Amino acid sequence: KAGVTQTPRYLIKTRGQQVTLSCSPISGHRSVSWYQQTPGQGLQFLFEYFSETQRNKGNFPGRFSGRQFSNSRSEMNVSTLELGDSALYLCASKVRQGPGETQYFGPGTRLLVL
Amino acid sequence: AQSVTQPDIHITVSEGASLELRCNYSYGATPYLFWYVQSPGQGLQLLLKYFSGDTLVQGIKGFEAEFKRSQSSFNLRKPSVHWSDAAEYFCAVDRGNYGQNFVFGPGTRLSVLP
Repeated sequence: KAGVTQTPRYLIKTRGQQVTLSCSPISGHRSVSWYQQTPGQGLQFLFEYFSETQRNKGNFPGRFSGRQFSNSRSEMNVSTLELGDSALYLCASKVRQGPGETQYFGPGTRLLVL
Repeated sequence: AQSVTQPDIHITVSEGASLELRCNYSYGATPYLFWYVQSPGQGLQLLLKYFSGDTLVQGIKGFEAEFKRSQSSFNLRKPSVHWSDAAEYFCAVDRGNYGQNFVFGPGTRLSVLP
């Protein structure tokens, strides 16, 4: 099976712009989670979608939003970009295996805000 | 506070030496436990996981980890490190149905000397 794919891999934006990142999970996986990774804060959970519904949400401002489509592909959007939004954004597709769920990560989208 | 700790920020070992990376968690119940590895600029790759049963789990690339309930630990080990093991290692826990269920430790950066 193909792994988790994320597009684009790299982005450069300026403050105030908005950006949309895309994630395609592993075939058959219905759950997609998004994380922000920065040197200072580490890996922080943004939100999780399952069957087109947001199942969990982290502590990020409303500028960060997401959605999931019927084919399980997910997008996240960041509006009114700030310098501090520069980060590696990771998407993970999750599947239940026995008693627990396992997350498989994509390569990430590196966003630079100037 | 409920958390995942990795006491060592940076570890340096010589190629061929053994390795142990520490991970401790503080949750009331036994969570599901994971180790991931991240090479520079890449996503996270799953090394191994523990859900239940045998407390010594084998993973990919020759890694193993041991769950010790009494110490709330899940330490990662490898008997002989290869230069290609240089990367950042993250311990993670899934608390199941407790809101934001997947929590990562801060990571341990491994350097390997030739």
